[in-house]
Amino acid sequence: GNSVTQMEGPVTLSEEAFLTINCTYTATGYPSLFWYVQYPGEGLQLLLKATKADDKGSNKGFEATYRKETTSFHLEKGSVQVSDSAVYFCALRNGSNYKLTFGKGTLLTVNP
Amino acid sequence: KAGVTQTPRYLIKTRGQQVTLSCSPISGHRSVSWYQQTPGQGLQFLFEYFSETQRNKGNFPGRFSGRQFSNSRSEMNVSTLELGDSALYLCASSPGGSPTSDEQYFGPGTRLTVT
Repeated sequence: GNSVTQMEGPVTLSEEAFLTINCTYTATGYPSLFWYVQYPGEGLQLLLKATKADDKGSNKGFEATYRKETTSFHLEKGSVQVSDSAVYFCALRNGSNYKLTFGKGTLLTVNP
Repeated sequence: KAGVTQTPRYLIKTRGQQVTLSCSPISGHRSVSWYQQTPGQGLQFLFEYFSETQRNKGNFPGRFSGRQFSNSRSEMNVSTLELGDSALYLCASSPGGSPTSDEQYFGPGTRLTVT
């Protein structure tokens, strides 16, 4: 079946530091890959997505590249801000239905 | 455009009771999915509805059920509540026509506490 493994953290960084959150997946076929972010007390917001191999999703300074050869979709940001503090979830979805399979989430705390 | 709405936002129930949660999708969206979020199990898929039909179901016991109305609003019901059902229940809406490319938009969730 499908599964997503991501570094669970917590990750604590200083403002303007570089961020990487690793995500690898197991899936049949060619899934779409997503990063969602959850701020305290809120639901999930889509951060970025990629639907095929070598696609790069990007949004708000965050980037992730769909690497089929390494089955990975690592999230990166060059310079984090305090406002980026949240829980980040990597997820996949096969093209046949709307079920999202999530990783366990990574708590990011950015200190000023 | 209004976002996904979930009611109520918070709920406290006693073991053995039943509960109904509601989700109103974004206008024009026909697919609604439900997820359970707990600290131990993370985010788990419950079921997905499209045009009043359940299209996909996760691995939850029969105590968890749902339905969708003709206006695409969806409800989920949990009967005979157990302490382990305490969780944040999230719904997500999407247009429903293309699982490959559709984006799913999540509501703020309903926090259910079972005592």
